Amino acid sequence: GNSVTQMEGPVTLSEEAFLTINCTYTATGYPSLFWYVQYPGEGLQLLLKATKADDKGSNKGFEATYRKETTSFHLEKGSVQVSDSAVYFCALGGGSNYKLTFGKGTLLTVNP
Amino acid sequence: DTGVSQDPRHKITKRGQNVTFRCDPISEHNRLYWYRQTLGQGPEFLTYFQNEAQLEKSRLLSDRFSAERPKGSFSTLEIQRTEQGDSAMYLCASARQPNTEAFFGQGTRLTVV
Repeated sequence: GNSVTQMEGPVTLSEEAFLTINCTYTATGYPSLFWYVQYPGEGLQLLLKATKADDKGSNKGFEATYRKETTSFHLEKGSVQVSDSAVYFCALGGGSNYKLTFGKGTLLTVNP
Repeated sequence: DTGVSQDPRHKITKRGQNVTFRCDPISEHNRLYWYRQTLGQGPEFLTYFQNEAQLEKSRLLSDRFSAERPKGSFSTLEIQRTEQGDSAMYLCASARQPNTEAFFGQGTRLTVV
């Protein structure tokens, strides 16, 4: 079945550091890929998405590129802020037979 | 567009009691998901609907769990004979179409004592 594997956390960075959170997937066909973020005490929010190979999703300085050849969708940000501290979830979905499937999440803590 | 609404936000129940949660998706969203999330874990898939049809139910879900979406709009999730292990956050999400992003509600936090 479809699955998502995320890099284990937690990740602790200093403000303005570069962030990468790895995500790889296993799926039949051509799913859409998503990154969701969950801030402390809040619900899940969509951060960015990509619907086909080589698409780049971007939002709030975060980026991720849909790489079909490596089945990856790594999340990156060039300069993190304290306010980026949250849990990040990679997910795949889309298509009539796909349920939305999540990775286990990566806790990011950014220190001033 | 008022977002996905879940009710109640919090529920404390005694072991063995039945509970029912409600989810109101975003208007005209055809797909509706239920997930369960425990502390430090990602959302665990429970079931999902396309309009009123329940397309899949997780094998992890015991027969004590049932979900309905009778008219393709709101949905209910019922847990019968609750157990302490059912304590979790229950999340509902909806999407306009299968290949579009899902929007989540704030969740219902269930505590079984």
